[in-house]
Amino acid sequence: QQQVKQSPQSLIVQKGGISIINCAYENTAFDYFPWYQQFPGKGPALLIAIRPDVSEKKEGRFTISFNKSAKQFSLHIMDSQPGDSATYFCAATQEGTASKLTFGTGTRLQVTL
Amino acid sequence: NAGVMQNPRHLVRRRGQEARLRCSPMKGHSHVYWYRQLPEEGLKFMVYLQKENIIDESGMPKERFSAEFPKEGPSILRIQQVVRGDSAAYFCASSRRLGGSEQFFGPGTRLTVL
Repeated sequence: QQQVKQSPQSLIVQKGGISIINCAYENTAFDYFPWYQQFPGKGPALLIAIRPDVSEKKEGRFTISFNKSAKQFSLHIMDSQPGDSATYFCAATQEGTASKLTFGTGTRLQVTL
Repeated sequence: NAGVMQNPRHLVRRRGQEARLRCSPMKGHSHVYWYRQLPEEGLKFMVYLQKENIIDESGMPKERFSAEFPKEGPSILRIQQVVRGDSAAYFCASSRRLGGSEQFFGPGTRLTVL
């Protein structure tokens, strides 16, 4: 019930291409869906987040698409750059007293020249 | 530095020793979460605290692990009698308000148990 499933496990994209990472959740009580970017040896950094009242949110080259009926959400990175090479984690939580995040297993993105 | 601070960044302990991990939240934040990341895995929630109070410890192992966030000073995650399976990266995140879903993470403490 609390799982967040993330795919693919790894992804190689050419510079300038579109990177797409997908996540699916089971708990319909989840109402906040952030994406985190993590570089080796560093902590996760909040990238972008969405709530279920909208189907899409865009910030610069990063876009979250959200499908409430399918219980799926995805991260799109447009014009991918070598500096985007990192591990990306989706997460979900039910906002409220605790708001503990349930994370996906991560996607290692490599953007090649 | 206004970010979440954790120390030490790396900690090596022998089996049976105690590990103490510290976390200072961002300025203006009074809520702290601890997460554990095993190699090649996502982060797993452990405990959520506000000053002098544990809000949710449902992710904490029943034995050997404890956490506190005193009125003064950093939050501390304490692991007694460490075992090799405790080797992981431990991350602290802070939020501004009770149940704040926007959480900002520190750089982590990488614990190695020999």
